[in-house]
Parts: sequence; structure tokens; C-alpha cells
Amino acid sequence: EAAVTQSPRNKVTVTGGNVTLSCRQTNSHNYMYWYRQDTGHGLRLIHYSYGAGNLQIGDVPDGYKATRTTQEDFFLLLELASPSQTSLYFCASSDLDSQDTQYFGPGTRLLVL
Amino acid sequence: GDSVTQTEGLVTVTEGLPVMLNCTYQTAYSDVAFFWYVQYLNEAPKLLLRSSTDNKRTEHQGFHATLHKSSSSFHLQKSSVQLSDSALYYCALMNYGSSGNKLIFGIGTLLSVKP
Repeated sequence: EAAVTQSPRNKVTVTGGNVTLSCRQTNSHNYMYWYRQDTGHGLRLIHYSYGAGNLQIGDVPDGYKATRTTQEDFFLLLELASPSQTSLYFCASSDLDSQDTQYFGPGTRLLVL
Repeated sequence: GDSVTQTEGLVTVTEGLPVMLNCTYQTAYSDVAFFWYVQYLNEAPKLLLRSSTDNKRTEHQGFHATLHKSSSSFHLQKSSVQLSDSALYYCALMNYGSSGNKLIFGIGTLLSVKP
């Protein structure tokens, strides 16, 4: 079973604060993804990456930056957090060899006050 | 652009009865695959089913789905639900032609199984 970990698991910050969410996968997958999950909207893709140094824009990228430093590590950055970014964030990884099955991490719950 | 529609936000079914969760889609491309992901309470989503073959039934964990390109549908069915099937179910589409290996998710259907 593929392994994806996220940290922190819970985070509280204030409006305007700086937040970094971390994701690590040990599956040697090429693709990594950041989603946010909100009731009534489902899972929405923020950013994704094909490999170290690569970044692709997702469907809801405004207010978020991301960086893929290694094949294993993918970070999501909120440089000026806003209450609208209060959400449950999931990281996932996949590869063509797994027929594009995405393996999700346990999620990070972010509250912006 | 591509889209996935799940019309029911909440489906409530009595244990032992059948259930069908609806999923329809729009895409202009033919090189696509379809997925059902399941998310149990306080857990991460995980793959339930995958299909890219028209009119072929795919089964896993008692659930089944058949891709029907003629009606742009990929409904999820189970003949006899269990209490443990209560979860959030997402239908998703992957377009290999243009989306660059990203999934387009529906908004999800919450299945609640009651005794």
C-alpha cells in the first residue's frame, strides 16, 4: 500500500498569517497533488506536479503557492492566509504504473481566524 | 471543459436494500478513465473502482459500475448495502488528452445506511 504523510495534521493561524503544509510520499510516484475539501464543493485541485522542480496550476490556485523540492516532498504555501482558506487539505500521489490511482494522505485541517 | 455531476448530495438506504449513486459526465475527449473513490468518516479518500472500457462491468468490495459512453454515465451500484458502507462517495474523471493526469471530481454523494 502506497504511503503518503502530511504535516501538521491540524493548524490554526490568523488572517494574514503564513502557513506551510507539508506532504511526503515514499512510493516513488512522479505525480503529486494538493486538494482542498469543502462541503458542497467536494475535492478541488489546487496545484500538482510531475516531478521535482515542476509545478502545474490546478483549478483553484488563487492564494496558494506550491513547491516540489524532491520527488518525495511537495509543499503548499499560504503566504497571506484568509478565512476563506479554512478547509481540509489533502495531498495525493500517483503514477502511470498504478493506473493513475491516487493515494491520499490523512489530511491537514486548517483554521484561519 | 470536463465536468462530473453527482446529483444527490445525500442518499439514505436501509441495510440490506440496493443502492445506486448517480454519476454523469461531460468531456469532448475519448481517451478518458473513470473512478469511484470512497471516504469513510475521518479518513482519506481511497480508490473503490476504476474503468476506461465502455459497457464493461467493474466490481470491487461488492460494488459495481459500468461505463456507458452512450449516456455519459458511470453509476455506482450495490445489491445489498451494509452499515459499514456509510461513507462519502466521489465520482471522478481523468482526461489523458488534455488534463495532464489530473482528476476532475464530482461534489460527492454521502451514503447513509440505516438499520
